[in-house]
Amino acid sequence: EAGVAQSPRYKIIEKRQSVAFWCNPISGHATLYWYQQILGQGPKLLIQFQNNGVVDDSQLPKDRFSAERLKGVDSTLKIQPAKLEDSAVYLCASSLGQGFYEQYFGPGTRLTVT
Amino acid sequence: QKEVEQNSGPLSVPEGAIASLNCTYSDRGSQSFFWYRQYSGKSPELIMSIYSNGDKEDGRFTAQLNKASQYVSLLIRDSQPSDSATYLCAVSPNDYKLSFGAGTTVTVRA
Repeated sequence: EAGVAQSPRYKIIEKRQSVAFWCNPISGHATLYWYQQILGQGPKLLIQFQNNGVVDDSQLPKDRFSAERLKGVDSTLKIQPAKLEDSAVYLCASSLGQGFYEQYFGPGTRLTVT
Repeated sequence: QKEVEQNSGPLSVPEGAIASLNCTYSDRGSQSFFWYRQYSGKSPELIMSIYSNGDKEDGRFTAQLNKASQYVSLLIRDSQPSDSATYLCAVSPNDYKLSFGAGTTVTVRA
């Protein structure tokens, strides 16, 4: 079974530029998550989708971050404009559903904002 | 108070010893508990999940849960150099949101 796919793996941009990340979850997984992990910290949930609906985006900086999950499969996370403090690893995870289901992570995208 | 707290590391253990990792959580209504392993530069990898009080064993790993004390732990028996990684405790305070601790870095000395 293929795992969670993410691209790109690495991205370097200048502040105030925009960037987009893509995620393809494990086949059949209804729930998709985007996390931000800053060096030395645990992952922090940015947004959670159940199929193509948003379940939780309370920690998403909506003035600069946006995310969508069209057709309930792939998802994109966008940052516009980027700030220096956005430098982090962006992790996508998926699970069969909400609640007790285990989450599986993709390889992540390492973003550096200069 | 942080939702999930882990014992500060780094934790250094000799090869073959038991590594003991601790995690406490603040939401008494939490129902799901997970341990993830994260190698440097890699993404978190699920190694254990536990949902009820008591012990759960999987190979050299044992997870222990005590909901009354709001405490979950992970024991790594016969530690190997390949176990050197950061271990993340994750707790679900409600039926969908997962909160992670900052992680404990384990180094196994050969």
